[in-house]
Amino acid sequence: QVRLVQSGAEVKKPGASVKVSCKASGYTFTSYNIHWVRQAPGQGLEWMGIINPSGGSTTYVQKLQGRVTMTRDTSTSTVYMELSSLTSEDTAVFYCVRESSGGTRALAYWGQGALVTVSS
Amino acid sequence: QSALTQPPSASGSPGQSVTISCTGTSSDVGDYNYVSWYQQLPGKAPKIMIFEVSKRPSGVPDRFSGSKSGNTASLTVSGLQAEDEADYYCTSYAGSSNFVFGTGTKVTVL
Repeated sequence: QVRLVQSGAEVKKPGASVKVSCKASGYTFTSYNIHWVRQAPGQGLEWMGIINPSGGSTTYVQKLQGRVTMTRDTSTSTVYMELSSLTSEDTAVFYCVRESSGGTRALAYWGQGALVTVSS
Repeated sequence: QSALTQPPSASGSPGQSVTISCTGTSSDVGDYNYVSWYQQLPGKAPKIMIFEVSKRPSGVPDRFSGSKSGNTASLTVSGLQAEDEADYYCTSYAGSSNFVFGTGTKVTVL
């Protein structure tokens, strides 16, 4: 079955960077796009960007361009999301999500989430 | 891109229906039939309920239905049950590999 297992919770200081991993299993890694979505405490869902694990191409939401980098390692079926120049407003649960099959652009399979806390 | 607009809250008694709107623009909801809806229970990851405007994934009860008219998509939950109490989010493809979420709606079963 499709599984996305994310790295654990992190605490970072303002100005630092964080790198969250997402290990995929149960399907052909290079066949489906992976999205990153974040949710600040008590707030809504925010789409951050997408990576195509096959070629590594990425698209990021405009407000995070320059601060976010999504990469993948096909040898370990893992995608990574790195966010730099952290502020308290970046405190959130970060989810990796796989699209469903059939080109539906639906976010079908969600990781368990990784809490990143930015605090001095 | 701006978030899609949803009402902050909606409610209904058990057995009743509730409809949640999701208003975007002609560049997202109005231009693509790639609107999805997600249910999020407290402390849990979201779960897909509707994709491509009105299609249900296997396992989702047929009490959940979706539609779209112009720049506004809607999710209807018929025959409300206590277990439907959750936050609901819409999302739409917005072109050039971009996506946008709705602001979210808290559904309360009275």
